[in-house]
Amino acid sequence: NAGVMQNPRHLVRRRGQEARLRCSPMKGHSHVYWYRQLPEEGLKFMVYLQKENIIDESGMPKERFSAEFPKEGPSILRIQQVVRGDSAAYFCASSPVGGLTTGNTIYFGEGSWLTVV
Amino acid sequence: AQTVTQSQPEMSVQEAETVTLSCTYDTSESDYYLFWYKQPPSRQMILVIRQEAYKQQNATENRFSVNFQKAAKSFSLKISDSQLGDAAMYFCAYRSYTGANSKLTFGKGITLSVRP
Repeated sequence: NAGVMQNPRHLVRRRGQEARLRCSPMKGHSHVYWYRQLPEEGLKFMVYLQKENIIDESGMPKERFSAEFPKEGPSILRIQQVVRGDSAAYFCASSPVGGLTTGNTIYFGEGSWLTVV
Repeated sequence: AQTVTQSQPEMSVQEAETVTLSCTYDTSESDYYLFWYKQPPSRQMILVIRQEAYKQQNATENRFSVNFQKAAKSFSLKISDSQLGDAAMYFCAYRSYTGANSKLTFGKGITLSVRP
């Protein structure tokens, strides 16, 4: 859904560098999710954030990965000291609320492709 | 924890024919959402159809419909009058009702090819 904006669409980093992926949720959405898709695999949940809060980071690797969703500005997924295994598509998604509401659907951005060389 | 299983890695259908994609899930919850997402070669995730578990009526969106069997924990997608543009990966997904656990859990996906 074009309403969730991710940038950059493509990012190339050398091993050891840092990667920063940005996500602006749909207007009126206060919940953001990050997913990772490795080649030929499904989407794996990484982290769920609300404004200024991390709600669920059970899918985040313990080291090098961090995420934030500040009061102002986009959500950021940060990968420090990237390795070749970090090469993947990273999808951001947003929803208006986290629980049950009418039309409660998660909408995805177009993804950011990280290549580590 | 919830799990979603798509056991068929690939399927093929003749253009204009009907195809059914299978999905099963495991949960201890009684209320939840189920989704099918389509991922074409562009890799964008596109919502195809949504089903609320408390609704007995199967969801329908134009050529797409589901067969939701709550007791069997089965949620299959039927595509009628298949078109070339339907060729894509299809992911089944589960979402809890509870706010703190409302992430989507995906199956591994199935690659659908459409033969002209």
